[in-house]
Amino acid sequence: GENVEQHPSTLSVQEGDSAVIKCTYSDSASNYFPWYKQELGKRPQLIIDIRSNVGEKKDQRIAVTLNKTAKHFSLHITETQPEDSAVYFCAASLDAGNMLTFGGGTRLMVKP
Amino acid sequence: DTGVSQDPRHKITKRGQNVTFRCDPISEHNRLYWYRQTLGQGPEFLTYFQNEAQLEKSRLLSDRFSAERPKGSFSTLEIQRTEQGDSAMYLCASSLVRQATYEQYFGPGTRLTVT
Repeated sequence: GENVEQHPSTLSVQEGDSAVIKCTYSDSASNYFPWYKQELGKRPQLIIDIRSNVGEKKDQRIAVTLNKTAKHFSLHITETQPEDSAVYFCAASLDAGNMLTFGGGTRLMVKP
Repeated sequence: DTGVSQDPRHKITKRGQNVTFRCDPISEHNRLYWYRQTLGQGPEFLTYFQNEAQLEKSRLLSDRFSAERPKGSFSTLEIQRTEQGDSAMYLCASSLVRQATYEQYFGPGTRLTVT
């Protein structure tokens, strides 16, 4: 089955700096890669996703890149703000709508 | 609130008891998923439904776990003879597969504590 590894497990940045979280996956058949943000005590919420036919996707301060050959994808957050502080999870799936395999999470702390 | 809802939000039970959780998906969402999340970990897939059909159940953690979605709307997850290792957050999610994005929307979860 699919295995997703996520690094780093914790990340502390100064407000305004950039943050990068990296994930690798094992199943070359995976085609859908979402990122979820989970604030303390709250439900995971999708912040961005990418499909295997696209190498990069941006949404305001958030971008995701995908390298299918190397089987890794990354989340980039620019101009970080204190409200970006949360746990971020990457995931992989055969296709959107199928079961998601999640990474272990990254706790991002943005210091004002 | 038109999002995914789960009931109860918290459940404390004694080892050996049976528990049942309910999930109400977003209206008209045809897929419903169950995940388990332990402290400090990412959600772990358990099972999912397309309408009332259970498409995948091999990931249920043991034969003590079962799920139903009898009318293709709400779903229940039952754990029989609970063990302390079952303590976790149980998350439900739903999606509308007909849409291009297929986003899975998560509910607030049911936190189970087995004493």
